[in-house]
Amino acid sequence: AQSVTQPDIHITVSEGASLELRCNYSYGATPYLFWYVQSPGQGLQLLLKYFSGDTLVQGIKGFEAEFKRSQSSFNLRKPSVHWSDAAEYFCAARGFGNEKLTFGTGTRLTIIP
Amino acid sequence: EAQVTQNPRYLITVTGKKLTVTCSQNMNHEYMSWYRQDPGLGLRQIYYSMNVEVTDKGDVPEGYKVSRKEKRNFPLILESPSPNQTSLYFCASSWGGPGNEQFFGPGTRLTVL
Repeated sequence: AQSVTQPDIHITVSEGASLELRCNYSYGATPYLFWYVQSPGQGLQLLLKYFSGDTLVQGIKGFEAEFKRSQSSFNLRKPSVHWSDAAEYFCAARGFGNEKLTFGTGTRLTIIP
Repeated sequence: EAQVTQNPRYLITVTGKKLTVTCSQNMNHEYMSWYRQDPGLGLRQIYYSMNVEVTDKGDVPEGYKVSRKEKRNFPLILESPSPNQTSLYFCASSWGGPGNEQFFGPGTRLTVL
């Protein structure tokens, strides 16, 4: 079955430190991959997406993600986090020709001073 | 302003009392979808619609109905709500095709007593 796994439920990072959020997918073929962010009390906002081509994808708010086919991973990174990055982050995937968007269970990011 | 709106934002109701959560988008999107968000489970798709009069079940459709009579509206209907439908609900829309960004509404927090 198609699935998206985010192994980290909660991550705490110091402000200014680097960040990596993990995402693994299980699909028959490489799906379309997305990272969304949900700030407290808000809906979801797209950070970035990957379809094909360059495996390092740049997004908004200084985020980037790297697609690794060999590891079925699409990890999200940011070189230096800001207090405003505290939120919940969701990885999602959608198969080509399949209209269902499957989400991971999310990673809650806490930023400490 | 391009947006997805949902109403109501908050709703407390009792078991068995029919309710409708409205969703409207002003971007002329073909695709619309409903999700529920529960702690530890991420977002799970309830129903989606590829276009007017075209709807299909997502991963957790039991206890819900939808309709798509107009392109802009996609109401979610709970004919006989039960406490296990207490959740945070999101409506989303996008252009057709699996690779397109989904735009999310602000969410509806539903409590069924």
